[in-house]
Amino acid sequence: AQKITQTQPGMFVQEKEAVTLDCTYDTSDPSYGLFWYKQPSSGEMIFLIYQGSYDQQNATEGRYSLNFQKARKSANLVISASQLGDSAMYFCAMSPIGTNAGKSTFGDGTTLTVKP
Amino acid sequence: DGGITQSPKYLFRKEGQNVTLSCEQNLNHDAMYWYRQDPGQGLRLIYYSQIVNDFQKGDIAEGYSVSREKKESFPLTVTSAQKNPTAFYLCASSIREPVTPDGYTFGSGTRLTVV
Repeated sequence: AQKITQTQPGMFVQEKEAVTLDCTYDTSDPSYGLFWYKQPSSGEMIFLIYQGSYDQQNATEGRYSLNFQKARKSANLVISASQLGDSAMYFCAMSPIGTNAGKSTFGDGTTLTVKP
Repeated sequence: DGGITQSPKYLFRKEGQNVTLSCEQNLNHDAMYWYRQDPGQGLRLIYYSQIVNDFQKGDIAEGYSVSREKKESFPLTVTSAQKNPTAFYLCASSIREPVTPDGYTFGSGTRLTVV
């Protein structure tokens, strides 16, 4: 069975500073993808970044980067130069690549608050 | 712009009533999903569909039903058998299943409350 653990229920960061949101995972699937989503107070989930288990380099998308350590089964999200608009809930998710359709798993989320 | 439209935004259900949540997408995505989110928790999969006229149960399908008669539409019915339906419901789609590196596209959600 898959499991995603986000150990930080809430995080605070000062505007313009960097912040790391933790995510560890457990899976028996040999190939998988890791995702991060942002959920503002409006409720809609927004896709941020993707990392494949077979990717050699860490993924980056603008101010978002994914610190992927496969041996430690961690996929931490790093947000650089935080902005007030980054205040939201952030979810880590994992999906198998292959035949296990419909088995995406989400963590419980981390609420990030950016202070001015 | 393409996207997913969920309606209504807020829905109130009386005890013993069935209610239907609408989800429509114009992204030409093959796969669609329904997730339930309870306060302070992550998303749990209710049902998903990889193709028209086919769908599979997720982890918490009891008390829910779906249909996929058109590629664009994936309505969710919350039946009276669902004893604790108060939650936030999110519809999502993806190009195909298993999900691609493009991830899911989500709707803006429906907040269902039992009165």
